[in-house]
Amino acid sequence: DQQVKQNSPSLSVQEGRISILNCDYTNSMFDYFLWYKKYPAEGPTFLISISSIKDKNEDGRFTVFLNKSAKHLSLHIVPSQPGDSAVYFCAAIGDRGSTLGRLYFGRGTQLTVWP
Amino acid sequence: EAQVTQNPRYLITVTGKKLTVTCSQNMNHEYMSWYRQDPGLGLRQIYYSMNVEVTDKGDVPEGYKVSRKEKRNFPLILESPSPNQTSLYFCASRDRRNTEAFFGQGTRLTVV
Repeated sequence: DQQVKQNSPSLSVQEGRISILNCDYTNSMFDYFLWYKKYPAEGPTFLISISSIKDKNEDGRFTVFLNKSAKHLSLHIVPSQPGDSAVYFCAAIGDRGSTLGRLYFGRGTQLTVWP
Repeated sequence: EAQVTQNPRYLITVTGKKLTVTCSQNMNHEYMSWYRQDPGLGLRQIYYSMNVEVTDKGDVPEGYKVSRKEKRNFPLILESPSPNQTSLYFCASRDRRNTEAFFGQGTRLTVV
């Protein structure tokens, strides 16, 4: 049973516009949430994270929002650039109990930014 | 340079022939993991390790073994590979005090 879900397998956005990638989770024990970016033939690379005690974290063009009551997070990319085209994975960490030491991933969303 | 190194990058093998994919990290990280990536299924954890001699099953451990005899190395062993283990494999490591995990470049395995 997937504990981290990305229900949109793909998203297509025009350059300069906002990209919004969504993620839902089921386990209340998760303490941190992360977004990873993956290009073909490369390993995933860390993009941005947020602690469960916060509701927003911003890093340049990337902002992650967390809604704990809805168990939902989203990644906003503004403005979107063609180089942002990649697969984006949502991930969660819970360093206690049954989640200790584990990093759980969603299935990914392929973002395509067109000129 | 901080990195996670996997070898080989590409491997084609035959059913039943034992193989090992190596993973090494130079960041003194406690946590290491193996994932497989398959189309439409994302990254699924195979095994993880929280320190030397401490390993545990992830979501899809069947057909795989691991060992953690040293902190820097975490090899993935397929004792008798089968075609359904054809996949893209990633090793990752992270410090137990940080959330960011570092990934290797991946190993594309084909079992015929």
